[in-house]
Amino acid sequence: GQNIDQPTEMTATEGAIVQINCTYQTSGFNGLFWYQQHAAEAPTFLSYNVLDGLEEKGRFSSFLSRSKGYSYLLLKELQMKDSASYLCAVKNNAGKSTFGDGTTLTVKP
Amino acid sequence: DGGITQSPKYLFRKEGQNVTLSCEQNLNHDAMYWYRQDPGQGLRLIYYSQIVNDFQKGDIAEGYSVSREKKESFPLTVTSAQKNPTAFYLCASIEGPGLSVHEQFFGPGTRLTVL
Repeated sequence: GQNIDQPTEMTATEGAIVQINCTYQTSGFNGLFWYQQHAAEAPTFLSYNVLDGLEEKGRFSSFLSRSKGYSYLLLKELQMKDSASYLCAVKNNAGKSTFGDGTTLTVKP
Repeated sequence: DGGITQSPKYLFRKEGQNVTLSCEQNLNHDAMYWYRQDPGQGLRLIYYSQIVNDFQKGDIAEGYSVSREKKESFPLTVTSAQKNPTAFYLCASIEGPGLSVHEQFFGPGTRLTVL
């Protein structure tokens, strides 16, 4: 099976940088994805990693270490609208994706 | 505009009744997924389908059934055997085969409440 852990809640200040960690255990790793979900809405895709290293997309970056079963999502220049839940998801080579319980980020002025 | 639609947005059901949730996509995606989300939790996989006329159980398939007769449609039936069906249900699809490394596109979700 697949097991994913991420912090339940985090708080940060507008304009700051925040790092959300995700650790996972899986067999047949085939990619790690980060999604953003605002309350009562559907998740939207942010980034994905297949190989080790850092992927940058504007204010968002994601890092992966397959040997450590570890990823993080880095959010820079935080804005109030970044307050949301951030979901880490791992895909295996059977096409199945497993999601973590999400990290609720609160951005304060 | 291409996308995924789910209907209805809100659904109320009496205990003991079966109910079917609709999911339609016009993105020409091969793989489709159904997830359930409970308050404060992540998404749990119910069923997924990588190709027409084929589907696999996810982690919490008991009490649910699906069909995939058309590429664009993947309806989910919540049966009376599902003991705690009140939840937010999300449908998703992926471009290309399910094994391809592409992100999932989600529909707006259906919030089911059992009275």
